[in-house]
Amino acid sequence: SQQGEEDPQALSIQEGENATMNCSYKTSINNLQWYRQNSGRGLVHLILIRSNEREKHSGRLRVTLDTSKKSSSLLITASRAADTASYFCATDAMDSNYQLIWGAGTKLIIKP
Amino acid sequence: ETGVTQTPRHLVMGMTNKKSLKCEQHLGHNAMYWYKQSAKKPLELMFVYSLEERVENNSVPSRFSPECPNSSHLFLHLHTLQPEDSALYLCASSQGTGGYEQYFGPGTRLTVT
Repeated sequence: SQQGEEDPQALSIQEGENATMNCSYKTSINNLQWYRQNSGRGLVHLILIRSNEREKHSGRLRVTLDTSKKSSSLLITASRAADTASYFCATDAMDSNYQLIWGAGTKLIIKP
Repeated sequence: ETGVTQTPRHLVMGMTNKKSLKCEQHLGHNAMYWYKQSAKKPLELMFVYSLEERVENNSVPSRFSPECPNSSHLFLHLHTLQPEDSALYLCASSQGTGGYEQYFGPGTRLTVT
């Protein structure tokens, strides 16, 4: 089964509200990354959090990491229509030399 | 712009055709990747190149053939594809292999008829 699994699969909120997405994984990691993908386009890197970090901020984004629960969350505050996209977590597993392990993503829709 | 370009952006090909996808990165990175993205499935890593040497091939059918002539260019040669190969093909690059952040191109939307 896949390493990263996002939850929920889809999320629809009103503009201005906060959006929270979760990612769970199975094996020990070096780091965990979040990416955004606008419809049918390439992915854009948002934030990287290392296994010895618990929280990281970037603008309206806040990422937490709980290695004991093997989970991470991405919080987008004060959402905007432009935040409508799919969000993916990817893990750099300790036993993997070359690749990130990807989840299936959360589709976020921001309603105006 | 992420510094990674892909051409063509859209491609329709018959099952007997031969075509190639091209990727170019302008970031001075040492690693390049091909991914396949199908609807409602996680990103599937196909190939990884590090310093022009293939270091990963995730059981990809031989009808997909990668080529990395230098650290800035990556090709994916396609021949005798199947309809189930229709997908978005994404190229990415990173400073090195492993846990570095990856920079993606816009993708090639491939339809096999």
